[in-house]
Amino acid sequence: GAGVSQSPRYKVAKRGQDVALRCDPISGHVSLFWYQQALGQGPEFLTYFQNEAQLDKSGLPSDRFFAERPEGSVSTLKIQRTQQEDSAVYLCASSLVPRNEQFFGPGTRLTVL
Amino acid sequence: LAKTTQPISMDSYEGQEVNITCSHNNIATNDYITWYQQFPSQGPRFIIQGYKTKVTNEVASLFIPADRKSSTLSLPRVSLSDTAVYYCLVGDQAGTALIFGKGTTLSVSS
Repeated sequence: GAGVSQSPRYKVAKRGQDVALRCDPISGHVSLFWYQQALGQGPEFLTYFQNEAQLDKSGLPSDRFFAERPEGSVSTLKIQRTQQEDSAVYLCASSLVPRNEQFFGPGTRLTVL
Repeated sequence: LAKTTQPISMDSYEGQEVNITCSHNNIATNDYITWYQQFPSQGPRFIIQGYKTKVTNEVASLFIPADRKSSTLSLPRVSLSDTAVYYCLVGDQAGTALIFGKGTTLSVSS
């Protein structure tokens, strides 16, 4: 079946703009994760959903970052008033149950000018 | 969560066996060892997971000594397409977020 998809694949934003990144997990996967990956670094955890409930948002770097998964499937990561340090690849992953093998999407590369 | 240490980079040639060792001295009783692979412009991909001794699948083998303070990912007969970053992760099954380090960049040449 289809894997995790993310859109857009690339996003260029001017500093101060708001952006919204979409993640379509594998159908039926209960758990959904967002990670941020800076150039040359490993992915860093941002937030975790189990169905529609956001159970862990400890990795969100500031209150400008907001994530939602209102119907327990598609998720959106929103970044308000983007800053240059927000430039990174944002990865979404899903798994059937928590801590099981996570399936990653291709990521959205965000560049803030 | 146990911290892991692995080499920053490794070089190999096609057809060789590659062994990447990861140190995790503070591994807890409930922790599993998991390896992910990441190609450029792609998300990480699960390779293998183990708790102790040896685990083998169609892609790799994972060797874990009795004290579990280290583990070795073994890739048999690598090809150019195995050039990627390999991440060693340690955590228990009750956790959620994966904790990645910087990984090991494997470069395979012809």
